[in-house]
Amino acid sequence: DAGITQSPRHKVTETGTPVTLRCHQTENHRYMYWYRQDPGHGLRLIHYSYGVKDTDKGEVSDGYSVSRSKTEDFLLTLESATSSQTSVYFCAILGRTGVNYEQYFGPGTRLTVT
Amino acid sequence: AQTVTQSQPEMSVQEAETVTLSCTYDTSESDYYLFWYKQPPSRQMILVIRQEAYKQQNATENRFSVNFQKAAKSFSLKISDSQLGDAAMYFCAYRSSDQYNFNKFYFGSGTKLNVKP
Repeated sequence: DAGITQSPRHKVTETGTPVTLRCHQTENHRYMYWYRQDPGHGLRLIHYSYGVKDTDKGEVSDGYSVSRSKTEDFLLTLESATSSQTSVYFCAILGRTGVNYEQYFGPGTRLTVT
Repeated sequence: AQTVTQSQPEMSVQEAETVTLSCTYDTSESDYYLFWYKQPPSRQMILVIRQEAYKQQNATENRFSVNFQKAAKSFSLKISDSQLGDAAMYFCAYRSSDQYNFNKFYFGSGTKLNVKP
């Protein structure tokens, strides 16, 4: 499972409150990602990181920020949660098997914004 | 950005029969990788199979095989002898082999597969 954990696994929060989701990996992977999954949209990239303190935006980054102060942790923050951010959030890492690069995913966090 | 299209939101198959899930993609690149991921009700994303575009031979993993048609930009997944445990959401994904974009994956919207006993 590539040693990826996410916390919390479930969260219910109110509109306007800040929320931080944590992704933790144990195998020293350089690349880490945050996706959101919504019906009919598949997985959409929010932000990704290519090293400590190195991050870049994905296709749906508005309303989200990220931080990576340690190789093993990648944090996703919703500064002021909105109902449109109700979703399942997945963290992923880029792993290498021989010459193949593949993404491996954490178990997901279900976030509900009321 | 590349686009990946899965035109079948939901499909059903009888246990022990064969089903094919469709995926098309749009790219101007000549070398890339394609993947199928399975997401069962547990939500865990599981890599099922990968195909390298420069390889003409279709990839196979046990009961899972692909039909890769590079000219048509089509990448379908065939599941043979379907089992109840195959019931899941299946996502098609694309990755460039370009040195600057190799780390970016593009996913389709998914196909929900139901398996009937």
